Amino acid sequence: DTEVTQTPKHLVMGMTNKKSLKCEQHMGHRAMYWYKQKAKKPPELMFVYSYEKLSINESVPSRFSPECPNSSLLNLHLHALQPEDSALYLCASSQDWTANYGYTFGSGTRLTVV
Amino acid sequence: SQKIEQNSEALNIQEGKTATLTCNYTNYSPAYLQWYRQDPGRGPVFLLLIRENEKEKRKERLKVTFDTTLKQSLFHITASQPADSATYLCALADNNDMRFGAGTRLTVKP
Repeated sequence: DTEVTQTPKHLVMGMTNKKSLKCEQHMGHRAMYWYKQKAKKPPELMFVYSYEKLSINESVPSRFSPECPNSSLLNLHLHALQPEDSALYLCASSQDWTANYGYTFGSGTRLTVV
Repeated sequence: SQKIEQNSEALNIQEGKTATLTCNYTNYSPAYLQWYRQDPGRGPVFLLLIRENEKEKRKERLKVTFDTTLKQSLFHITASQPADSATYLCALADNNDMRFGAGTRLTVKP
C-alpha cells in the first residue's frame, strides 16, 4: 500500500459544528503532516507529528486540534470554524521528519464552512 | 524573512519542447530541495529530491539542478507532452518543516 487515504473527500459544516478529518497510511512512515491549501496558493504547514508526538504546531488557532492515535492514523478535529477556514486540507506522510524523503500526500478533504 | 519564489506564475510551451521552471530561495540553508506536481483538486505528487551536495538529478524526462551559491533550483521537463500540464511546486525545509513555493502552472499545447 503506497497511499495516504483521507476521509471524507468533501465536508460542509456550520460554524457551530464539530467534525473530524481522518488520514491513514500503511507505509510504515513515522512522520505525518497536516497542510492547509487555499485556491491558487501553496500548501501551508499546520502540524507535524514525528513518531506519534506533535513536533511542530505552526501557530494554528485552537479551533483546529490534531490527534495521532497510532503510527498509521492522524486526525484533525474541527470546532467553531470560521468561513475563512474553508480550504483543501491535505494530509501527508514521510519515512521520517528529516525532509530527506519525499512526502506522500492524500487527495485532501475539501472543507466548506457555512 | 524566508522566501521561496517560483518566478513564473504560468508557463505555456509547445509539445516536444523543454520546459524550464525556476525556484529561488532566500534566508534558507536547505540540505534538500524537492519538486512536486499538483493537478487541480488533488494533493501534490512527489517527483524528485536533490541534496545540497548534488548538482544535478535526473529521472526519465525530468532533470533538476541545485545551486546553493545562487540559491536556485531549475526543473526541466524534456520532450514535454500535454499530459505534463499541471502546477509544479518546489519545496524545501529548514529545521525539518517543509515549505512550498507558490508554484508554476505549466501548460503544454499540442
